Amino acid sequence: DTGVSQDPRHKITKRGQNVTFRCDPISEHNRLYWYRQTLGQGPEFLTYFQNEAQLEKSRLLSDRFSAERPKGSFSTLEIQRTEQGDSAMYLCASSLAGTGFVHEQYFGPGTRLTVT
Amino acid sequence: GQNIDQPTEMTATEGAIVQINCTYQTSGFNGLFWYQQHAGEAPTFLSYNVLDGLEEKGRFSSFLSRSKGYSYLLLKELQMKDSASYLCAVYYNFNKFYFGSGTKLNVKP
Repeated sequence: DTGVSQDPRHKITKRGQNVTFRCDPISEHNRLYWYRQTLGQGPEFLTYFQNEAQLEKSRLLSDRFSAERPKGSFSTLEIQRTEQGDSAMYLCASSLAGTGFVHEQYFGPGTRLTVT
Repeated sequence: GQNIDQPTEMTATEGAIVQINCTYQTSGFNGLFWYQQHAGEAPTFLSYNVLDGLEEKGRFSSFLSRSKGYSYLLLKELQMKDSASYLCAVYYNFNKFYFGSGTKLNVKP
């Protein structure tokens, strides 16, 4: 296994367009997280999955954002009607976790979104 | 979220020792992680504390006091390649991670 991968690495889009990002986690990891990071800040939680179930979504996330993990493997994050404020690095991370334990998260290289 | 605080920026000299502090809200705490992030790259895992005390991994050590809501990352024998941001991340309620804003470390020759 080569780690967490994300596609695309860079995306430039015009305001109002829809974009979709993909994350492939480490295969044996049951948890998958999406984060957004802007310059000078730490990663900000967006949502996470345990297997195929989306267990939590940040209150900061508008209805324009949706995420799926249909078979408990890869995940997609879609942003509809993009706004300039959506410009950021979108990070995906996976880990092995369960009741009473957690292991470290492994991050993908990120998708840098620029909305013009 | 969860008031995770760490200094914004620190400067240290090559070969020296530097300590980066992190404080956090204690309610719901399950573990604390430190990550290193070079500019334009993804965070990489450094260390993990769940019990009080010191965890040592080569040049890096991390300390935790759960009662005080306090941790630090200690970097010894600093090298130029250690110039990066260091992120404190706390795992809450066996659920999700909250990250601090990161401490940008500048290592000077």
